[in-house]
Amino acid sequence: DIQMTQSPSSLSASVGDGVTITCRASQSVARYLNWYQQKPGKAPKFLIYAASSLQGGVPSRFSASGSGTDFTLTISSLQPEDFATYYCQQSYDAPWTFGQGTTVDVK
Amino acid sequence: EVQLLESGGGLVQPGGSLRLSCAVSGLTFSSYDMTWLRQTPGKGLEWLSTISASGANTWYPDSVKGRFAISRDNSKSTLYLQMSSLRAEDTAVYYCAKVFGSGNWDYWGQGALVTVSS
Repeated sequence: DIQMTQSPSSLSASVGDGVTITCRASQSVARYLNWYQQKPGKAPKFLIYAASSLQGGVPSRFSASGSGTDFTLTISSLQPEDFATYYCQQSYDAPWTFGQGTTVDVK
Repeated sequence: EVQLLESGGGLVQPGGSLRLSCAVSGLTFSSYDMTWLRQTPGKGLEWLSTISASGANTWYPDSVKGRFAISRDNSKSTLYLQMSSLRAEDTAVYYCAKVFGSGNWDYWGQGALVTVSS
């Protein structure tokens, strides 16, 4: 199985800050990398697919990049609704696997 | 508006069985592959099974193969997950989700809590 590792596990930031989350795969997943946002008590929300393509309706302050084994998710200017947990997930090879999550909370 | 609504969660004894349902509206259900996933505080998010749009093909990770069975009724726009030989470690929030491309999911239900305990 492909292991997905995110860093950091958590970070504290303020509204307006830029934040970057890193995701590393245990083997190459090409660009088959997705990002989800989850708020407490809610289902994950699909943000980004194919490493850098924004899902419809996702604000442009979200961006992502990477290929192979190393990927990043960046929020350019954190908004109040962005405080949440973010997960990367590989769709290169089954079983599809997720990172452990990165929680972005209020500083 | 696309909606996925899970039901059937609850408390079940170890070794028992449970069937989850997911009622889907707002899209042509029979056109899409569908998936079950679960989430626990310890193991995080875990893919459990996917079924093709027609229902002819199903996929499982080794961790649940033989214990869980996915199915669908396209006439009812409903997805199912039959779980058997349940263990304490199957305690989780279970989500149904619509497949977006392959191995990713753009619409999710709100989740159903399954607790396996005596």
